[in-house]
Amino acid sequence: DIVMTQSPESLSVSLGERATINCKSSQSILSSSNKKTCLAWYQHKPGQPPKLLIYWASTRESGVPDRFSGSGSETDFTLTISSLQAEDVAVYYCHQYYSIPRTFGQGTKVEIK
Amino acid sequence: QVQLQQSGPGLVKPSETLSLTCTVSGGSIRINHWSWIRQPPGQGLEWIGYSGDTNYNPSLKSRVTISVDMSKNQFSLKLSSVTAADTAVYYCARGGESHPTWGQGTLVTVSS
Repeated sequence: DIVMTQSPESLSVSLGERATINCKSSQSILSSSNKKTCLAWYQHKPGQPPKLLIYWASTRESGVPDRFSGSGSETDFTLTISSLQAEDVAVYYCHQYYSIPRTFGQGTKVEIK
Repeated sequence: QVQLQQSGPGLVKPSETLSLTCTVSGGSIRINHWSWIRQPPGQGLEWIGYSGDTNYNPSLKSRVTISVDMSKNQFSLKLSSVTAADTAVYYCARGGESHPTWGQGTLVTVSS
């Protein structure tokens, strides 16, 4: 199984400041067939289903604010919230869909400082 | 746009079979893979599997069946021989790779 390791486990950021979440995969998740990285990022708020933010490591889902961006390649990835808003308080998960079983990171909790 | 509505019991007895259904509206069930993902209390997300090629998590494979009923635009999850460790919020989702659409989630408690 591919292990996805996120850091930090929790993050406290002031409103308007940048939040950065890291995710590392235990092996490359770059698809040889389409040359795309099989990584997604989700935002999960209590009582709601997860919301897709980013797929193919850096493609923003339709309707997602542009303060959310994804970057990285091979095994190291980053989700950046450029200017944290109150509604961004949530747990964020990375997710690899390169191989079976699909796996998720353990989550990073983002709070307001 | 595509929406998913989950249904099924919230309480299942140990050793019995957990059964959940997800109804797809706003789109055809024929043109996607359909997935199930769960979240045990206080824990992270766990992928269960997706339809089509019967790709299941090896840790659950012997107990899981995901099936699609195209006539009803529904897909379902069956998990047999459940124990307390299967207590979780279960989500259905669109797609076999990233998941742009999710059901509302169903808390399933395994208890006698």
